[in-house]
Amino acid sequence: SAVISQKPSRDICQRGTSLTIQCQVDSQVTMMFWYRQQPGQSLTLIATANQGSEATYESGFVIDKFPISRPNLTFSTLTVSNMSPEDSSIYLCSALTTGGWGYTFGSGTRLTVV
Amino acid sequence: RKEVEQDPGPFNVPEGATVAFNCTYSNSASQSFFWYRQDCRKEPKLLMSVYSSGNEDGRFTAQLNRASQYISLLIRDSKLSDSATYLCVVNPNFNKFYFGSGTKLNVKP
Repeated sequence: SAVISQKPSRDICQRGTSLTIQCQVDSQVTMMFWYRQQPGQSLTLIATANQGSEATYESGFVIDKFPISRPNLTFSTLTVSNMSPEDSSIYLCSALTTGGWGYTFGSGTRLTVV
Repeated sequence: RKEVEQDPGPFNVPEGATVAFNCTYSNSASQSFFWYRQDCRKEPKLLMSVYSSGNEDGRFTAQLNRASQYISLLIRDSKLSDSATYLCVVNPNFNKFYFGSGTKLNVKP
């Protein structure tokens, strides 16, 4: 299955600033996704990162707050913009593995906004 | 109603015990089902896919009951290293995956 390198692994940021999280996959994958996991909660899908076009956002998430890029089949970024303490969470990227069977996840970015 | 529901637990069991978790899903058209394991402060990792006929991988058995719309995970001979949160994942169509909130398992010596 694909291996995903995600960075940074953690960051502490000031409110009002932005943070860009990067994910690099070691092979070409058709589908990449961004999730958020708040403490003690399950994963919530933020958006599907589409290669060469705008991301598809889930209800409650908007492009101005979470701009996503996916310039090719192995790389994607998620930016958390104009951060507030409510954005403190773990952000995970994932890719659909070959054959469409299940996800592989990056190791996550633990974000704390102060 | 949530797409996927799980008992959050925790399930506290002694080593060597057999433990089972269920997960219910709301979309009867769902085609793919998975169990993921998430260790504390780690990303989820695929444990096993769930096939219509049921499948077994060592001490782990996964089953699907379409009529009642639930999947199950059975762990035999529990090990301390099995302590984790187990996430049920349902795929109602190609690019939508819904995660349950997870069931926490604590295996005690």
